[in-house]
Amino acid sequence: DVKVTQSSRYLVKRTGEKVFLECVQDMDHENMFWYRQDPGLGLRLIYFSYDVKMKEKGDIPEGYSVSREKKERFSLILESASTNQTSMYLCASSLGDRGHSPLHFGNGTRLTVT
Amino acid sequence: AQSVSQHNHHVILSEAASLELGCNYSYGGTVNLFWYVQYPGQHLQLLLKYFSGDPLVKGIKGFEAEFIKSKFSFNLRKPSVQWSDTAEYFCAVKRAGTASKLTFGTGTRLQVTL
Repeated sequence: DVKVTQSSRYLVKRTGEKVFLECVQDMDHENMFWYRQDPGLGLRLIYFSYDVKMKEKGDIPEGYSVSREKKERFSLILESASTNQTSMYLCASSLGDRGHSPLHFGNGTRLTVT
Repeated sequence: AQSVSQHNHHVILSEAASLELGCNYSYGGTVNLFWYVQYPGQHLQLLLKYFSGDPLVKGIKGFEAEFIKSKFSFNLRKPSVQWSDTAEYFCAVKRAGTASKLTFGTGTRLQVTL
């Protein structure tokens, strides 16, 4: 069974801090994604990656960056956290088969920025 | 860019009632359509998907969805819901034939009462 592991379940950070959210998948998936989930807004794509060292902006990339140095790991970086980045962050991965395979999600990281 | 609308934000049903959750998308080209479910405290998981062929798609746990191209709709149905179907349901769309981004709707929270 595919396992997508997000390093923290809950995180509390202060405004202006640099925040790293880590995600690791164990099924050699090519594609990895970062979404944020907010009540009433559903899931919105922040960034995604098709391959190592590759990244593409999603719908709401502002204030975020990503890093994919190894195939199994996809990091989301908040350069200077702000209160409007308080949210549930979901990592997902999928096979690189032109989208036929479903996304496999992690359990999420609930980030609070104070 | 594609978008997804889920007009029912919160649905409350008694056990054994029939369910239909609406999903409409906007995109002029060929699409792939998905329903994901998030049970309380669990990660998002795939319920069913449509890529091509028979527009009536059957998924897990007795769910089905019908793709009506002329209406840009992909409504989710279940003839008789159970208490264990209490969850949040997300419709999602992406352009066919690519591994491009999956766009999610805002979600419908289903509450099934005994």
